[in-house]
Amino acid sequence: QSVLTQPPSASGTPGQRVTISCSGSISNIGSKPVHWYQQLPGTAPKLLIYNNNQRPSGVPDRFSGSKSGASASLAISGLQSEDEAYYYCAAWDDSLKGRGVFGGGTKLTVL
Amino acid sequence: QVQLQESGPGLVKPSQTLSLTCTVSGGSISRSDYYWSWIRQHPGKGLEWIGYILYSGTTYYNPSLESRVTISVDTSKNQFSLKLSSVTAADTAVYYCARGGPTWYMDVWGKGTTVPISS
Repeated sequence: QSVLTQPPSASGTPGQRVTISCSGSISNIGSKPVHWYQQLPGTAPKLLIYNNNQRPSGVPDRFSGSKSGASASLAISGLQSEDEAYYYCAAWDDSLKGRGVFGGGTKLTVL
Repeated sequence: QVQLQESGPGLVKPSQTLSLTCTVSGGSISRSDYYWSWIRQHPGKGLEWIGYILYSGTTYYNPSLESRVTISVDTSKNQFSLKLSSVTAADTAVYYCARGGPTWYMDVWGKGTTVPISS
């Protein structure tokens, strides 16, 4: 059972806007920055969003992040077939002496 | 640009110690603003953070693995390493090394190495 909760799946058609949610608690998302990773099949995760809503260089502005209280969301607009991947949220958690925690991952399918 | 590459044995026997090394190229491991992390992914599952080390040698481990994990750094070789003791089949996973920023985001990842635990 992951500390951060994500829906196991999401889907959309090309061009649509989809959002993926990530729910946590005061000890993680509620007090720490949230980060998002994209993992294409058979590859290492790639940083997509850091510090709630910042995009690393090279990440298209179709990807955006937001946070409210102990929940966060990743939005993907203008959905493309190459966006089909797993998406993970992550944050530092101050409980249990402190640890990094991930969501269980959301499989995004482009229909 | 900075690249990370994991290396280690392809197979480890149960009860033995898993040892992996991450070689950093294109940049120095001796920067105070970076955390050097290990993460693993069990087959078909999500990501699990193992721990990180600073260039100074300060370490921080996942409490769930702390009793079996040691992460060390060799600044002369621009490498950091992971040792996981008393492994079982449950430690079979893809192991990634990554560079972390100050708020625990990981912006550069190695390709990962699959470590089966089997006799």
